[in-house]
Amino acid sequence: EPEVTQTPSHQVTQMGQEVILRCVPISNHLYFYWYRQILGQKVEFLVSFYNNEISEKSEIFDDQFSVERPDGSNFTLKIRSTKLEDSAMYFCASSRDRGLARPYEQYFGPGTRLTVT
Amino acid sequence: DQQVKQNSPSLSVQEGRISILNCDYTNSMFDYFLWYKKYPAEGPTFLISISSIKDKNEDGRFTVFLNKSAKHLSLHIVPSQPGDSAVYFCAAPAAAGSYQLTFGKGTKLSVIP
Repeated sequence: EPEVTQTPSHQVTQMGQEVILRCVPISNHLYFYWYRQILGQKVEFLVSFYNNEISEKSEIFDDQFSVERPDGSNFTLKIRSTKLEDSAMYFCASSRDRGLARPYEQYFGPGTRLTVT
Repeated sequence: DQQVKQNSPSLSVQEGRISILNCDYTNSMFDYFLWYKKYPAEGPTFLISISSIKDKNEDGRFTVFLNKSAKHLSLHIVPSQPGDSAVYFCAAPAAAGSYQLTFGKGTKLSVIP
């Protein structure tokens, strides 16, 4: 069964450093998302991406964050200057054509645990 | 914005019995809901969904019930199995026309053999 993959599984970085989290969405999916879950808190939406553009973003997704689909398979999340509060599990997700009957079903990857020290 | 609330942080059920997980929401303008299951060290896995044109949707052992007047939905698992032990999240679009999912805090289900 196709699945979303993410690398690395765990990333440790120092405050102020840039990190890039990578995702390979399911191959026939057109919509891509990043979410994060700070330990003990809810899963929170960051951004959605379609047709090489950001579709929606939350207030968490400020100028320090950016997303890119550099080729036909990868989808990346960059944090330019990490802060301690960016420590969280980051989940990538993808979904199919929204014109289908069940457009909201998003399929999640296993996550990247980001630790900022 | 859609607020989704799961007021029970945990639930323990005997194997073979029914598990009932509850979720409340605050905004009746949008009407599509999803349940996700999450094992430790894994991402959320889509389980089942329901739109407001229905009040019930069934998939094998899993059934979701929607009570629009009460703004309440529930997930029933029958019979419960030890492999069902996980955290269950209720989710919904954040607003009409949005594909941004808002999640509840989750309910940790433990199925005791």
